[in-house]
Amino acid sequence: EAGVTQFPSHSVIEKGQTVTLRCDPISGHDNLYWYRRVMGKEIKFLLHFVKESKQDESGMPNNRFLAERTGGTYSTLKVQPAELEDSGVYFCASSLPGNRGTGELFFGEGSRLTVL
Amino acid sequence: AQSVTQLDSHVSVSEGTPVLLRCNYSSSYSPSLFWYVQHPNKGLQLLLKYTSAATLVKGINGFEAEFKKSETSFHLTKPSAHMSDAAEYFCVVSDRAAGNKLTFGGGTRVLVKP
Repeated sequence: EAGVTQFPSHSVIEKGQTVTLRCDPISGHDNLYWYRRVMGKEIKFLLHFVKESKQDESGMPNNRFLAERTGGTYSTLKVQPAELEDSGVYFCASSLPGNRGTGELFFGEGSRLTVL
Repeated sequence: AQSVTQLDSHVSVSEGTPVLLRCNYSSSYSPSLFWYVQHPNKGLQLLLKYTSAATLVKGINGFEAEFKKSETSFHLTKPSAHMSDAAEYFCVVSDRAAGNKLTFGGGTRVLVKP
């Protein structure tokens, strides 16, 4: 069974440009999460989808970040316009729906974003 | 609110010697606790998890952790380090009341010397 896949693995853009990160969760996982680790900091929660609905977006830093999960399958995270402080690694994770499982999240390998 | 403190940002051990990675947590609820590992250029991989069953939890690759509620700790140990254990380790607490939102510690980078 395929794990969580993220694309691109690394993106280098200039300040002011736009970048879109994609995450494909494990099939059947209704929960999809985005996390971010900026240089030297902890991994921080960004938001949580249940199917196509945003369950919790309290971690989104500002309105330059837009996450979507149309159809409840894959998700995209767009940063527009990108700023230097957006550089970091963006992790996507998915988990089983509802009370199934123990809350374990399965992580992708991350998308490294470098803003110059 | 929940929080996680990993007491060491870097740990250096010799191959074959024990590994101890320290973690303290704060949570308003009965927590689920995890240790994840990230090897270079890889994703986060679950090592082990505590979900209110046995307090001594065994994970993959010979790691184990003990949940101590009185000390609010969840330290990770391994009796004998292997070169392949060189990685970054994250202690994580999950708030099931908030959709399993995870709170990460700052990470501990482990160096294994031959």
